[in-house]
Amino acid sequence: TQLLEQSPQFLSIQEGENLTVYCNSSSVFSSLQWYRQEPGEGPVLLVTVVTGGEVKKLKRLTFQFGDARKDSSLHITAAQPGDTGLYLCAWDNYGQNFVFGPGTRLSVLP
Amino acid sequence: KAGVTQTPRYLIKTRGQQVTLSCSPISGHRSVSWYQQTPGQGLQFLFEYFSETQRNKGNFPGRFSGRQFSNSRSEMNVSTLELGDSALYLCASSFFGGSETQYFGPGTRLLVL
Repeated sequence: TQLLEQSPQFLSIQEGENLTVYCNSSSVFSSLQWYRQEPGEGPVLLVTVVTGGEVKKLKRLTFQFGDARKDSSLHITAAQPGDTGLYLCAWDNYGQNFVFGPGTRLSVLP
Repeated sequence: KAGVTQTPRYLIKTRGQQVTLSCSPISGHRSVSWYQQTPGQGLQFLFEYFSETQRNKGNFPGRFSGRQFSNSRSEMNVSTLELGDSALYLCASSFFGGSETQYFGPGTRLLVL
């Protein structure tokens, strides 16, 4: 099973700052998903990227899938306290189940 | 449309006891997957049920088991609880499973003392 690495593990920033978090593997993904999990809740799907080089935008969030489909990044512009949470990347293990990375825990301070 | 619900939300047990957790999927969803989330291991797949049959299973000991009913509601059971079983247990549902988008419930937080 492919393992996913995420960096950084923790990130604490001030409101209004920009940030980027990363998801990497040594193998090629068929597709990749990004989730956000808020305290006391289950993960919520933000986006699925499928094509190498693909860029998707969701308001202030920009998701990029690497050309070789081995890595992905999530960039947040002008972070807000509401962006606080655990950001997880995941891939579908050949349709059997989803494998999740360890996550990046983001704290945006007002 | 109501989301995925899980009961109970919080549970405290002692070592050696057993526990049963319940998950009600989104109406119409027939696939239910269970995950264990811990600070050390992250989110790990336990098993998936579809139409009352276990379709996929993760790498967990036999103390972890589950079942699904004809209305797609699912339960998971952990027998002979160990301290290391303390975790957030999440279930997720989708129409057919596989690579489909899955929707997570809020989880059951289990503390084993």
